Amino acid sequence: GENVEQHPSTLSVQEGDSAVIKCTYSDSASNYFPWYKQELGKRPQLIIDIRSNVGEKKDQRIAVTLNKTAKHFSLHITETQPEDSAVYFCAAGVRTGNTPLVFGKGTRLSVIA
Amino acid sequence: DAGVTQSPTHLIKTRGQQVTLRCSPKSGHDTVSWYQQALGQGPQFIFQYYEEEERQRGNFPDRFSGHQFPNYSSELNVNALLLGDSALYLCASSIGQGGIYEQYFGPGTRLTVT
Repeated sequence: GENVEQHPSTLSVQEGDSAVIKCTYSDSASNYFPWYKQELGKRPQLIIDIRSNVGEKKDQRIAVTLNKTAKHFSLHITETQPEDSAVYFCAAGVRTGNTPLVFGKGTRLSVIA
Repeated sequence: DAGVTQSPTHLIKTRGQQVTLRCSPKSGHDTVSWYQQALGQGPQFIFQYYEEEERQRGNFPDRFSGHQFPNYSSELNVNALLLGDSALYLCASSIGQGGIYEQYFGPGTRLTVT
């Protein structure tokens, strides 16, 4: 089955700097890669996703890149703000078929003001 | 537009007991997936329901079972509770058979087994 590895487990950046979180996946059939943000005590919130027919997607200060050949994808946050502090999860799955969405173990991002 | 709701928010049970958790999907969604999130870990897939049937199942024992109702709401049942079942249980809703695109999570039910 699918296996998703996420690095780093913790990340501290100064406000205004960029943050990058990287994930690798094992199943070449995976074609959907969402990122979730989970603040303390709250539900995971979908912040951006990318499908395998696209190499990059951007939404304001957040961007995700996908390298299908290397089976890795990354989340980039620019101009970080204190409210970006949270745990971020990547996930991978197959749009159709009988495989579920598999999550990484998460990255705790701290933005220091 | 109502989002995903779950009840109860917190629950404390004793080993060996049984528990039922409930989830109402986001308006317009017909697929419900359940996840277990242990402290400091990512969500782990339990199972998914669509058209009142279990469509996919993760690596969880038969003590974990579920149901989906005609209005798309869902229940998660756990029998013979173990200490290791203590976790945040999340449901996520989406659209379409086997849908994993754009899953929206509920606030979760925090289960503590003593």
